[in-house]
Amino acid sequence: DGGITQSPKYLFRKEGQNVTLSCEQNLNHDAMYWYRQDPGQGLRLIYYSQIVNDFQKGDIAEGYSVSREKKESFPLTVTSAQKNPTAFYLCASSIQGYGEQFFGPGTRLTVL
Amino acid sequence: EDKVVQSPLSLVVHEGDTVTLNCSYEVTNFRSLLWYKQEKKAPTFLFMLTSSGIEKKSGRLSSILDKKELFSILNITATQTGDSAIYLCAAQNSGGSNYKLTFGKGTLLTVNP
Repeated sequence: DGGITQSPKYLFRKEGQNVTLSCEQNLNHDAMYWYRQDPGQGLRLIYYSQIVNDFQKGDIAEGYSVSREKKESFPLTVTSAQKNPTAFYLCASSIQGYGEQFFGPGTRLTVL
Repeated sequence: EDKVVQSPLSLVVHEGDTVTLNCSYEVTNFRSLLWYKQEKKAPTFLFMLTSSGIEKKSGRLSSILDKKELFSILNITATQTGDSAIYLCAAQNSGGSNYKLTFGKGTLLTVNP
């Protein structure tokens, strides 16, 4: 089955700790994205990558970092510099940089 | 700054009603307008609109884009309880090699039996 997987589903961390959220796709898509969703808000773009070994900041990149060493993987690290990290994080991919984006099931991060 | 505004933010209807969800956008180098349905987790794709005035239809759902007035609507006829979800609208730009989706806050639709 082709698709996007995110792990873990739920993540609890103490304040000040870095955490890494996993995103893997087997759709052979070139472009991958990370979004953050807060209650009552739409999705806000954190980082995106159009090709391996290249990525760009989105609208709210501060306090986050990414890597794109393999086409199928785009992990997101939430660092201690992120002031309000508790949120629902969604990963997406698309064939190219434009067009329909397919979403993973999301990771709900709670910082205690 | 790119902006997408959806209205209403929430809506409660009875089964069988018809609803219209609105989406207006201000996006540099606009390319397309996308609609997604989000029930609990991952948004699922509904429509992508790139041309003005051409209706896209899937079952009871339909959508149309007006590029002159910078808005789109999503219609749902004969609503069912399974239509209860957040409906997200997103505008895509095409600035050089950077394609971004800017999302609205969504419309929370509740369909009561």
